[in-house]
Amino acid sequence: KQEVTQIPAALSVPEGENLVLNCSFTDSAIYNLQWFRQDPGKGLTSLLLIQSSQREQTSGRLNASLDKSSGRSTLYIAASQPGDSATYLCAVKGSGGSNYKLTFGKGTLLTVNP
Amino acid sequence: GAGVSQTPSNKVTEKGKYVELRCDPISGHTALYWYRQSLGQGPEFLIYFQGTGAADDSGLPNDRFFAVRPEGSVSTLKIQRTERGDSAVYLCASSVYGTSGVEQYFGPGTRLTVT
Repeated sequence: KQEVTQIPAALSVPEGENLVLNCSFTDSAIYNLQWFRQDPGKGLTSLLLIQSSQREQTSGRLNASLDKSSGRSTLYIAASQPGDSATYLCAVKGSGGSNYKLTFGKGTLLTVNP
Repeated sequence: GAGVSQTPSNKVTEKGKYVELRCDPISGHTALYWYRQSLGQGPEFLIYFQGTGAADDSGLPNDRFFAVRPEGSVSTLKIQRTERGDSAVYLCASSVYGTSGVEQYFGPGTRLTVT
């Protein structure tokens, strides 16, 4: 059974810092990996989707990397801003018969202090 | 275009009552998913529809939970004899089709509180 772990569970940084969020998964047979943002009381906003054949994806100040063989992904946020404060969730989609199902980690709660 | 919508946004009910949660997917999306997010946890898969049929309902916790999608668009998640442990945010997502690399788009969720 796929398990996804996110470290750290919470992170607090001053505005302007660069930071890295970590995600690991136990079964490397994934189809893709997705990073989401969740604001309090809100749904999920997709940030980046990395296919299993890709090594990284970039969008603005965000860069996500994927090392499928080691079961790891990182989300790098450059020049953090207070508006980046949210919970960040990592999710993987399996490549087998259940290739429609996302398995999520518990998330990292990020606070960026002005 | 419009995203995935869910109603109600909040639902408070007493233990033992019946509730229905509604999801309107993005127009044209054939695949629809329900997830449940308990406090402090990531979302967990409940059920997947491809068209009108439930292709995988293995995530439904027990037979008090049931979901339908009669016309292949709107879906309703139904919970009978609610328990306090059912309190969670119920998230709906849709995608163009169900397999592999396509992205799932999530709605804002329904926060269910069972008192």
